[in-house]
Amino acid sequence: NAGVTQTPKFQVLKTGQSMTLQCAQDMNHEYMSWYRQDPGMGLRLIHYSVGAGITDQGEVPNGYNVSRSTTEDFPLRLLSAAPSQTSVYFCASKDAGAGSYEQYFGPGTRLTVT
Amino acid sequence: DQQVKQNSPSLSVQEGRISILNCDYTNSMFDYFLWYKKYPAEGPTFLISISSIKDKNEDGRFTVFLNKSAKHLSLHIVPSQPGDSAVYFCAAKRNTGTASKLTFGTGTRLQVTL
Repeated sequence: NAGVTQTPKFQVLKTGQSMTLQCAQDMNHEYMSWYRQDPGMGLRLIHYSVGAGITDQGEVPNGYNVSRSTTEDFPLRLLSAAPSQTSVYFCASKDAGAGSYEQYFGPGTRLTVT
Repeated sequence: DQQVKQNSPSLSVQEGRISILNCDYTNSMFDYFLWYKKYPAEGPTFLISISSIKDKNEDGRFTVFLNKSAKHLSLHIVPSQPGDSAVYFCAAKRNTGTASKLTFGTGTRLQVTL
């Protein structure tokens, strides 16, 4: 099992550019989510999905879009990058079973917007 | 509004001694708490958790204590080892609509010295 994989590891964008951060998991987890980590802020939830075709907003969704066409993949799209989106982005997944709360995280994507 | 707080950004402990990491929360709707450990350039990994109906959970060198009346939890690591040097995040779960969501603290950097 590869677990949760994220690509790319690093990315530099100019303001206004768009890009997609990729996330895939091979654990057949129904629940997937995206977080961003900023200094002094902890991890904040951007968007999440409880299964294919179902997505919802988290704490800081503005400027980001998601879709979930398969169980395995949960890409995060930045439509028009802004310097405020400079951050480290983590994708996570977990089993949707009752009593299952542990999330498995990918290695992260470090994004810089200039 | 930071609902989960880790007021100590860093902690230094000698190898073999006890490390105590603290976490406070404000939302009484949280019903499950988790600790994650994060090494540089890696994603967070799950360490230990506790349900709000318990006051202690132990797993090897790691013990989590929950004081619901004080809205406080702590992670004890005994004995501390150099490999424990990492950032530790406290997270709290609440159920909201279709899914349970995690709220993370800002993290405490633990350094275990020889």
